[in-house]
Amino acid sequence: AQSVTQLDSHVSVSEGTPVLLRCNYSSSYSPSLFWYVQHPNKGLQLLLKYTSAAPLVKGINGFEAEFKKSETSFHLTKPSAHMSDAAEYFCVVRYSSASKIIFGSGTRLSIRP
Amino acid sequence: NAGVTQTPKFQVLKTGQSMTLQCAQDMNHEYMSWYRQDPGMGLRLIHYSVGAGITDQGEVPNGYNVSRSTTEDFPLRLLSAAPSQTSVYFCASSYRHSASYNEQFFGPGTRLTVL
Repeated sequence: AQSVTQLDSHVSVSEGTPVLLRCNYSSSYSPSLFWYVQHPNKGLQLLLKYTSAAPLVKGINGFEAEFKKSETSFHLTKPSAHMSDAAEYFCVVRYSSASKIIFGSGTRLSIRP
Repeated sequence: NAGVTQTPKFQVLKTGQSMTLQCAQDMNHEYMSWYRQDPGMGLRLIHYSVGAGITDQGEVPNGYNVSRSTTEDFPLRLLSAAPSQTSVYFCASSYRHSASYNEQFFGPGTRLTVL
């Protein structure tokens, strides 16, 4: 079955240190992958997406993600965390063979001063 | 463009009541969907539509109905509300369902409480 797994339900980092949020997906020859961010009591906003072009994708607010087909991973990173990055992050996969879009369970990112 | 709009923002129902959550988009998107968000469970797909007159079930369809009479509107109906339907509901749309690279645009959500 098609699936996406976010390996950490909660990540806590200090302000100014790197952020790594992990995401793995079940294998398919042509997935599109997305990261969304949800700030408290808000809707979801697209951070970045991978669509079979360059494997390293740059998004908004200094985030980037790398598609690694051999590892079926699409981890989200940021070199230096900011307090405003505290939010819930969702990894999402969409397969070309299906109209259904599959969400990971989310990773809550906390930033320590 | 207003994007994806949802009404109401908040709603309290009693068990057994019915209601309709409204969703509209002004981007001429083919694909529309409804999700519910519960703590620790991410977003789960309730129903989706790939165009006017076409709907299909998602992961958690029981207790909900949808219709898509126009491209713009995709209402979600709760037939007989139950406490288990207490959740935050998000509507989303994207341009073409057949193009997997199209991202979804989300509405601001409806927070529903069923007593």
